[in-house]
Amino acid sequence: KQEVTQIPAALSVPEGENLVLNCSFTDSAIYNLQWFRQDPGKGLTSLLLIQSSQREQTSGRLNASLDKSSGRSTLYIAASQPGDSATYLCAVSSNDYKLSFGAGTTVTVRA
Amino acid sequence: GAGVSQSPSNKVTEKGKDVELRCDPISGHTALYWYRQSLGQGLEFLIYFQGNSAPDKSGLPSDRFSAERTGGSVSTLTIQRTQQEDSAVYLCASSLRPGTGVEKLFFGSGTQLSVL
Repeated sequence: KQEVTQIPAALSVPEGENLVLNCSFTDSAIYNLQWFRQDPGKGLTSLLLIQSSQREQTSGRLNASLDKSSGRSTLYIAASQPGDSATYLCAVSSNDYKLSFGAGTTVTVRA
Repeated sequence: GAGVSQSPSNKVTEKGKDVELRCDPISGHTALYWYRQSLGQGLEFLIYFQGNSAPDKSGLPSDRFSAERTGGSVSTLTIQRTQQEDSAVYLCASSLRPGTGVEKLFFGSGTQLSVL
């Protein structure tokens, strides 16, 4: 069974600092990996999707890397803003549809 | 609609009662997923529908849980004889191109279920 771990569970940084969120998974035979953002009382918003053959994906201030052999992914958020405050979830799929989620990292960006 | 719609947004029920949760996926999305998010835990896969194929029900926690999808669109998750441990946020998601490895999931805002 795929186990997904996210460290740290919570993170508080001053505005402008870069964020580094970590995700590890136990089974390296993955189909893809996704990073999601969840705001309180809201659903999840997909941020980045990395296919198993890729090593990274970038969107604006966000960059996610994937190292399948070591079972790790890192989400970088450059020049953080208060609007980046949310819970970030990592999810891996071992087939074409079933995702295994981590418990998330709750980020607070202080103005 | 523009996004995945779920109703009700909140549901409070008494232990032992049945509840129905509804999900309206994005128009044209052939794949539909139900997940459960319990307090302090990660999302738990419940069930997956893809077109006219038999659904993957492997994540349903007990036979009190069932789901159907009518006409390849709207889905209903039913929980019979609710228990307090069923209290959670139930999230629905849909996607356009399953099986390619590049599809993104679009989630609804969820139904917060509280069983007293």
